Amino acid sequence: NAGVTQTPKFQVLKTGQSMTLQCAQDMNHNSMYWYRQDPGMGLRLIYYSASEGTTDKGEVPNGYNVSRLNKREFSLRLESAAPSQTSVYFCASRRWSDTQYFGPGTRLTVL
Amino acid sequence: KQEVTQIPAALSVPEGENLVLNCSFTDSAIYNLQWFRQDPGKGLTSLLLIQSSQREQTSGRLNASLDKSSGRSTLYIAASQPGDSATYLCAVLSQGGSEKLVFGKGMKLTVNP
Repeated sequence: NAGVTQTPKFQVLKTGQSMTLQCAQDMNHNSMYWYRQDPGMGLRLIYYSASEGTTDKGEVPNGYNVSRLNKREFSLRLESAAPSQTSVYFCASRRWSDTQYFGPGTRLTVL
Repeated sequence: KQEVTQIPAALSVPEGENLVLNCSFTDSAIYNLQWFRQDPGKGLTSLLLIQSSQREQTSGRLNASLDKSSGRSTLYIAASQPGDSATYLCAVLSQGGSEKLVFGKGMKLTVNP
């Protein structure tokens, strides 16, 4: 099992550019999550999907969109990147109230 | 609204010490509490999961306890080693239909040889 995988690992964007962060899990988990992690701010939830076909906003959804493509895949899109979106982005997945598993992260810099 | 606090934010100790990391939460209506470890530049790795009906969980040199009524959990690390240096985060899953873990901001541990 690969667990939770994320692509790309690193990305540099210019202000206004768009990109999609990809996430996939092979553990047959129902719930998937996107977080951002910034120094001093801890982990903040951007969006989550409790099951295939549903998505909900988290703590900091502005400037982001998500798609739960199927049970395995959950993507995060930045339509018009801003320097404030420079961060490390983590995808995670979980089955009901079991252990939550995290991907290795994507380091995004917006110039 | 559930809030999770970890104090202190950082700790530096000599190798060999037995350590206690603290986590407190404001709402005792939880499904479970989870402890994670994060190494620099890496994702989070789950260490221990304690369900609300449990009092403690053990894995190797790690032991986590849960006192739901007082809103506290502790992670005990026995005979600390330099390889234990990392940031440790706790997170709670609240009852009431929420699918979201609420995280503390973490405690950065440095174990000096």
